[in-house]
Amino acid sequence: DGGITQSPKYLFRKEGQNVTLSCEQNLNHDAMYWYRQDPGQGLRLIYYSQIVNDFQKGDIAEGYSVSREKKESFPLTVTSAQKNPTAFYLCATRIRGGTGELFFGEGSRLTVL
Amino acid sequence: AQSVTQLGSHVSVSEGALVLLRCNYSSSVPPYLFWYVQYPNQGLQLLLKYTSAATLVKGINGFEAEFKKSETSFHLTKPSAHMSDAAEYFCAVTRNQAGTALIFGKGTTLSVSS
Repeated sequence: DGGITQSPKYLFRKEGQNVTLSCEQNLNHDAMYWYRQDPGQGLRLIYYSQIVNDFQKGDIAEGYSVSREKKESFPLTVTSAQKNPTAFYLCATRIRGGTGELFFGEGSRLTVL
Repeated sequence: AQSVTQLGSHVSVSEGALVLLRCNYSSSVPPYLFWYVQYPNQGLQLLLKYTSAATLVKGINGFEAEFKKSETSFHLTKPSAHMSDAAEYFCAVTRNQAGTALIFGKGTTLSVSS
């Protein structure tokens, strides 16, 4: 089936550890995005990538890093520099030249103990 | 800069009653506007979108929204609420003219009682 796969669904880590969240898509969409969701805060953009080997910072990029080595994959690393990493992380994709709508994965919930 | 304001973080209705979720936007360019729904611990699903065609947009599950430029609004409605409509709803606007990302409101949680 075509879609966006995020893994793991739930992740627990100790404070100070780096964590990498996976996002894989087989929709052949060019653009990929990472959003962070906190209760009452809506979704905030962390990073996005419109083509392979290129990505841009969003509104809250500090403490995060990404790579885009393949069209299908856009992993997000939550580093120890991120002060409040506990959150729900959503990966999304967009068709080039479309009407701007985003297609979302099922999300990854990260809890830092 | 583009922004979205959703009025009311929590809306409660009875089953069968009208659902009205409010969204106002600010945009320096002609906007594309979206409503998404999210069930607990899941991703977001597109309900409907406005892309400068008809101002009254019909979506899935009986929802519709009307784009009113003079009021900078894009409110979401459904004539008769169902228990399964209980979820969180997000309004979003394109970030810039290139439409590279969406800016989301803070969300409205809809509760439906029997």
